[in-house]
Amino acid sequence: DAGVIQSPRHEVTEMGQEVTLRCKPISGHDYLFWYRQTMMRGLELLIYFNNNVPIDDSGMPEDRFSAKMPNASFSTLKIQPSEPRDSAVYFCASRLRGNKVGPQHFGDGTRLSIL
Amino acid sequence: AQRVTQPEKLLSVFKGAPVELKCNYSYSGSPELFWYVQYSRQRLQLLLRHISRESIKGFTADLNKGETSFHLKKPFAQEEDSAMYYCALRGSTLGRLYFGRGTQLTVWP
Repeated sequence: DAGVIQSPRHEVTEMGQEVTLRCKPISGHDYLFWYRQTMMRGLELLIYFNNNVPIDDSGMPEDRFSAKMPNASFSTLKIQPSEPRDSAVYFCASRLRGNKVGPQHFGDGTRLSIL
Repeated sequence: AQRVTQPEKLLSVFKGAPVELKCNYSYSGSPELFWYVQYSRQRLQLLLRHISRESIKGFTADLNKGETSFHLKKPFAQEEDSAMYYCALRGSTLGRLYFGRGTQLTVWP
């Protein structure tokens, strides 16, 4: 298995633009997590899904952020409009179905820079 | 409420010296504890979990419920151990992990 796949690996765009980050979880995993990592705040959970349904989105910073999971093999995190303070590394992770003690598997992350 | 505390943001040791990365947690139920490691510009990887009681890359961690701690230890640090280390907790009824702020370990030659 290729693991959790995120795209793009790097994104540089101007403020005000829409940004879409993509994630393909490991096949068979039923939990999917979106994290944001910054020097100042460390690793923050933004939102997570179980069986494609959002369970907890309390970590989403504001209405400019939205996440969807239309099917078990794909999720997006969208920022519209983007701002310089959104610059961070965004990680997606997934967890094995039914494995209560299983670890989360992380993708390589998307390094986002908003100019 | 559940919380994970890693009191040291930065930790430096010399090669061959013992190293201990501290992690304390608060959770009213039965916790599952993990250590994740992130090497420079790479993805987070699971290092070890308390339920496995294993040693990975020379690292061990023991869950101390009395002290609510899950410190990560290695008797002889190596330069390749330099990385960011995150302690994480999952409660028995929770689907998500709670991460600490992380400790950046630097092992000097």
